Amino acid sequence: AQKVTQAQTEISVVEKEDVTLDCVYETRDTTYYLFWYKQPPSGELVFLIRRNSFDEQNEISGRYSWNFQKSTSSFNFTITASQVVDSAVYFCALARSGNTPLVFGKGTRLSVIA
Amino acid sequence: DARVTQTPRHKVTEMGQEVTMRCQPILGHNTVFWYRQTMMQGLELLAYFRNRAPLDDSGMPKDRFSAEMPDATLATLKIQPSEPRDSAVYFCASGLRGSRSGELFFGEGSRLTVL
Repeated sequence: AQKVTQAQTEISVVEKEDVTLDCVYETRDTTYYLFWYKQPPSGELVFLIRRNSFDEQNEISGRYSWNFQKSTSSFNFTITASQVVDSAVYFCALARSGNTPLVFGKGTRLSVIA
Repeated sequence: DARVTQTPRHKVTEMGQEVTMRCQPILGHNTVFWYRQTMMQGLELLAYFRNRAPLDDSGMPKDRFSAEMPDATLATLKIQPSEPRDSAVYFCASGLRGSRSGELFFGEGSRLTVL
């Protein structure tokens, strides 16, 4: 069975601080995909990144970076110099292959205070 | 700007009434998912379709929920009869098998309140 655990339910930081959101996953599949989605207060789910299990390279996109470590089954997400607009619920998710159902973690609510 | 469209955005109904939620996937996408979001359970998969054929609806209470794709531009989720425990936000998502990003595009959700 597949499972995603986001142990941090809520995080609160002051603007410009760096923050890391943790994600640990469980799967018996040798091939799989990992995702991060953002859900701002407006409620929609916004895709941030997809990683496949073959690619353990870290990725950076602007202030966002992702650290994928198969050895610890983790796919952590770091926001550098956080901004108020980063306040949202962030979901980590796991899928068997492209366009198969995502198994979501329970989400981490990030509040960035000005 | 292609997007998944869901209607209604908000629905308040009384227990026992039938509820139908509709989803227009992005044109050309061949995979459609229905998810339910609640505070307690988070995001749960209800059903999904590929090329309009249902592949998995094991997450759906079969006695009251049904999901269909009458054509490639419309997916429906029906609850009959509705119960207060069905109150949730229902998301539809679509994707294209084989796409580079593997991204699922989510609609804005249908917020259902059953009194």
